[in-house]
Amino acid sequence: GAVVSQHPSRVICKSGTSVKIECRSLDFQATTMFWYRQFPKKSLMLMATSNEGSKATYEQGVEKDKFLINHASLTLSTLTVTSAHPEDSSFYICSARAGRGPLNTEAFFGQGTRLTVV
Amino acid sequence: SQQGEEDPQALSIQEGENATMNCSYKTSINNLQWYRQNSGRGLVHLILIRSNEREKHSGRLRVTLDTSKKSSSLLITASRAADTASYFCATDAWGFKTIFGAGTRLFVKA
Repeated sequence: GAVVSQHPSRVICKSGTSVKIECRSLDFQATTMFWYRQFPKKSLMLMATSNEGSKATYEQGVEKDKFLINHASLTLSTLTVTSAHPEDSSFYICSARAGRGPLNTEAFFGQGTRLTVV
Repeated sequence: SQQGEEDPQALSIQEGENATMNCSYKTSINNLQWYRQNSGRGLVHLILIRSNEREKHSGRLRVTLDTSKKSSSLLITASRAADTASYFCATDAWGFKTIFGAGTRLFVKA
């Protein structure tokens, strides 16, 4: 199946700094990528939908100035957690699709990034 | 809420027994998928079932879909200790987003 690479897998940062997480589709062009957040023992909550070449669409309650998303190419989307605080500590996962519109194909997921803000 | 509900939230069984997890969702869907996640790790895609399908098998996995009831079930037969993980259903609705259910934590005792 298609491969989505997420980097870094684990990051520890100081409170007040910014952290960038990368999501790359390695063997296909991802028109759309999605960013999720997962708290311990909880499910994945969709944060935003990232479309190549346009602004991301954020879910209700997600601060767009806090979580900056850039999808500059068909193989790369980045999530930047700005001015991170301990409550931003979480597991962040991206996923990617090859096309636009509803498709009977799966979304491919990265392996996730565990962010710890100290 | 983004999430559909999954039932049960936690399930503990003996090795060799079958495990059944249920998922309900809220909107019309294009397809439904089941994923597995080991503690603190990424997602493993298990199976995708399209909205026009009613049942699908993959190895020891059997998935059913009832679009009239907006529900799906995942059956793992002859469970093994290595099946211990969290299992999530996820729906692809029109609008292209994949939305996850709350998940079931399965513990298989050896």
